[in-house]
Amino acid sequence: DQQVKQNSPSLSVQEGRISILNCDYTNSMFDYFLWYKKYPAEGPTFLISISSIKDKNEDGRFTVFLNKSAKHLSLHIVPSQPGDSAVYFCAAKRDSWGKLQFGAGTQVVVTP
Amino acid sequence: DAGVIQSPRHEVTEMGQEVTLRCKPISGHDYLFWYRQTMMRGLELLIYFNNNVPIDDSGMPEDRFSAKMPNASFSTLKIQPSEPRDSAVYFCASSRGHTGNTIYFGEGSWLTVV
Repeated sequence: DQQVKQNSPSLSVQEGRISILNCDYTNSMFDYFLWYKKYPAEGPTFLISISSIKDKNEDGRFTVFLNKSAKHLSLHIVPSQPGDSAVYFCAAKRDSWGKLQFGAGTQVVVTP
Repeated sequence: DAGVIQSPRHEVTEMGQEVTLRCKPISGHDYLFWYRQTMMRGLELLIYFNNNVPIDDSGMPEDRFSAKMPNASFSTLKIQPSEPRDSAVYFCASSRGHTGNTIYFGEGSWLTVV
């Protein structure tokens, strides 16, 4: 039962342009959302998070938007750089729970 | 500071053999998670512990899988007997508390069952 869904398995974007990654969730009890980035042969690393009391969080080139009514969040990377080429995982949890549930990931390729 | 440490990094084993994966969480972290990554399902939570106690093992695929955490600095995930469909990358992760906190992953154990 996939409660966190990333429907785009891959995304190709030109260097300097915007990358937009999407994520949908089904569990209305989720109140904390995170994005992780993963390079080959490495573990996922934390990128950015957002609490359900906000609708936007920004950290440098990365911005996460949350639309609670639509149960949708997105990650914007502006401008995209070659080093951003990685798999990006969306994750969600109830803040009162310990466990984090992940989507299947989106492979981003930034081309020169 | 040392991150989450997993061993072995790579394991190739024959079907039917027992596999034991090991994890040392970050010191001071009271939550430990075992995840499995596959192409089809991405990162699946198998089991997690809080203060060495298993809290939720609903993600463990079947009885062939078991996990233990005998103390705050060590955990194992065991597969017995292993099957080819168990081939995946297994990640251990840890966190301090759970409210608003991120979890930190190890580099993973790449398991191939032939």
